[in-house]
Amino acid sequence: DAKTTQPNSMESNEEEPVHLPCNHSTISGTDYIHWYRQLPSQGPEYVIHGLTSNVNNRMASLAIAEDRKSSTLILHRATLRDAAVYYCILRSGGSQGNLIFGKGTKLSVKP
Amino acid sequence: DAGVTQSPTHLIKTRGQQVTLRCSPISGHKSVSWYQQVLGQGPQFIFQYYEKEERGRGNFPDRFSARQFPNYSSELNVNALLLGDSALYLCASTRLGLAGGPAGTGELFFGEGSRLTVL
Repeated sequence: DAKTTQPNSMESNEEEPVHLPCNHSTISGTDYIHWYRQLPSQGPEYVIHGLTSNVNNRMASLAIAEDRKSSTLILHRATLRDAAVYYCILRSGGSQGNLIFGKGTKLSVKP
Repeated sequence: DAGVTQSPTHLIKTRGQQVTLRCSPISGHKSVSWYQQVLGQGPQFIFQYYEKEERGRGNFPDRFSARQFPNYSSELNVNALLLGDSALYLCASTRLGLAGGPAGTGELFFGEGSRLTVL
């Protein structure tokens, strides 16, 4: 699986939008972009995934660059409960059930 | 529906001992994966089991073993514990097939983990 690069940490104010970047310059055509987050003292939880087009769900939006070498997870209105480590992960079309996690981005949300 | 459940939640062992961790997947999920998360790092893949067979193994020594039972629950065993085995051990299950869905799109559902401390 190709590698991703994320900032170690980011800060946000409550109720403001947050844009979490991820670089994946070696992404292949069959790689899906997945985002998981891990709240303190919990296991990771799925946030969103996409292939080429931007995606929206109840938790977040995923904006994917046209060349697919980068993507951005967007939290439209950060809450204190969004403070977590966010992981950007690539999964190939033929991948098995395992994920390759990096160190992720630790998001702090200030009231 | 209950999520992925793991037991015990916390345990303390000494070097050289053996430990067994247990995982019950979400009802209907047939694939279970195990991950090790050392403090400050992302989770690292250890094993995947699907339909009671090992389908994937990460870069871990033979001291680590696992199995899956007919009811799809799973156990992770670690022998001859080392201080470096201290970590959060996470179990994840997937709904559909081996990859959790077509073309690597499936979502993994994680438990809250078993925190192992080796003294």
